[in-house]
Amino acid sequence: QQQVKQSPQSLIVQKGGISIINCAYENTAFDYFPWYQQFPGKGPALLIAIRPDVSEKKEGRFTISFNKSAKQFSLHIMDSQPGDSATYFCAASLRTDKLIFGTGTRLQVFP
Amino acid sequence: DAGVTQSPTHLIKTRGQHVTLRCSPISGHKSVSWYQQVLGQGPQFIFQYYEKEERGRGNFPDRFSARQFPNYSSELNVNALLLGDSALYLCASRQGASTEAFFGQGTRLTVV
Repeated sequence: QQQVKQSPQSLIVQKGGISIINCAYENTAFDYFPWYQQFPGKGPALLIAIRPDVSEKKEGRFTISFNKSAKQFSLHIMDSQPGDSATYFCAASLRTDKLIFGTGTRLQVFP
Repeated sequence: DAGVTQSPTHLIKTRGQHVTLRCSPISGHKSVSWYQQVLGQGPQFIFQYYEKEERGRGNFPDRFSARQFPNYSSELNVNALLLGDSALYLCASRQGASTEAFFGQGTRLTVV
């Protein structure tokens, strides 16, 4: 019940395209859903986060869509750029409790 | 303003040895958490400390221990190292009740 399932495992997108990564969770008590971006050899960097009382949040080219009834949330990267090539992790937590991470999606954006 | 700093950045140890990893949180942050990230996987929660008290522990053996100091920095200790302990160890800090967790660049531990 503590798992967060993430798909796809890898994603190849052309420059200017839309990258979409999906996550599903089981524990309905989760109340905080962040997305992290990680480059090789670096720690995860917080990209954007959402709470379950909001269905969508947008920050620049990054948008989180949240479907509480389906227990799913997704990250959309608009106008994807080669610099966006990284591994993306979704996560879920109970307030300041531990973060439960998905398995990651390796995104490659080709020019 | 400095982010989360971890030391050392890389470490090679032999099976059976002991290791200590260090973390300094962002100034003003009182909560520190430790995560283990095995290659190709998401980070797994090990410990959380807030105001020098342990607030959570993940599913890791007793060989793993941690503490938080009065200045809110933290140490993660691992005894009797196994090959399977080879991973990137990440430290994250939070500003008290805030849920935003900021990660350091990690310590890459290799056990041979």
